[in-house]
Amino acid sequence: GAGVSQSPSNKVTEKGKDVELRCDPISGHTALYWYRQSLGQGLEFLIYFQGNSAPDKSGLPSDRFSAERTGGSVSTLTIQRTQQEDSAVYLCASSLASHRYNEQFFGPGTRLTVL
Amino acid sequence: KQEVTQIPAALSVPEGENLVLNCSFTDSAIYNLQWFRQDPGKGLTSLLLIQSSQREQTSGRLNASLDKSSGRSTLYIAASQPGDSATYLCAVDSMWETSGSRLTFGEGTQLTVNP
Repeated sequence: GAGVSQSPSNKVTEKGKDVELRCDPISGHTALYWYRQSLGQGLEFLIYFQGNSAPDKSGLPSDRFSAERTGGSVSTLTIQRTQQEDSAVYLCASSLASHRYNEQFFGPGTRLTVL
Repeated sequence: KQEVTQIPAALSVPEGENLVLNCSFTDSAIYNLQWFRQDPGKGLTSLLLIQSSQREQTSGRLNASLDKSSGRSTLYIAASQPGDSATYLCAVDSMWETSGSRLTFGEGTQLTVNP
């Protein structure tokens, strides 16, 4: 079946602009995660959605970052007033259920470059 | 705070050689440990997931072991091939997380298998 998909694959924007990144999880997966991979920081957790529960936003680096998940499926990560330090690859993952023994499957990522 | 370390950072071997990648974590209270590979410019591909109650998992030429009490995992690759060249990442889902689920990643081991 189809894996996790993300769009766009690449995004170049100017400092100060807003950007939206999209993630389509694997069908039937109730858990969805956003991570960021940047040089010097490795892979870091941003936010976690599980079903209809309130998301775990504790990894978001600033209030310029927000995310939503509509209808328990597609998720959008929004970065407002982008800064150069936001340049990174943004990875989305999904897993099957709420308990914590489930494997996370990752999408191909969105490479964001802020000029 | 959970910290994950991978050694070595880079490894270059001739084709056909068996090799071991190492991962250590500071807090042994984990739900699971997952090994991924990442090809340049690509997302993460899940290789193996070991639940905290398990000692090892095998998939083809890959074998991952887990010693939770000592905070260590190894990924053994048998009869390496040039197609195995990639960055290998280790990640743990820690019990100390108060809500939701998140993976803490190591920095990765960059593997090159020379023909």
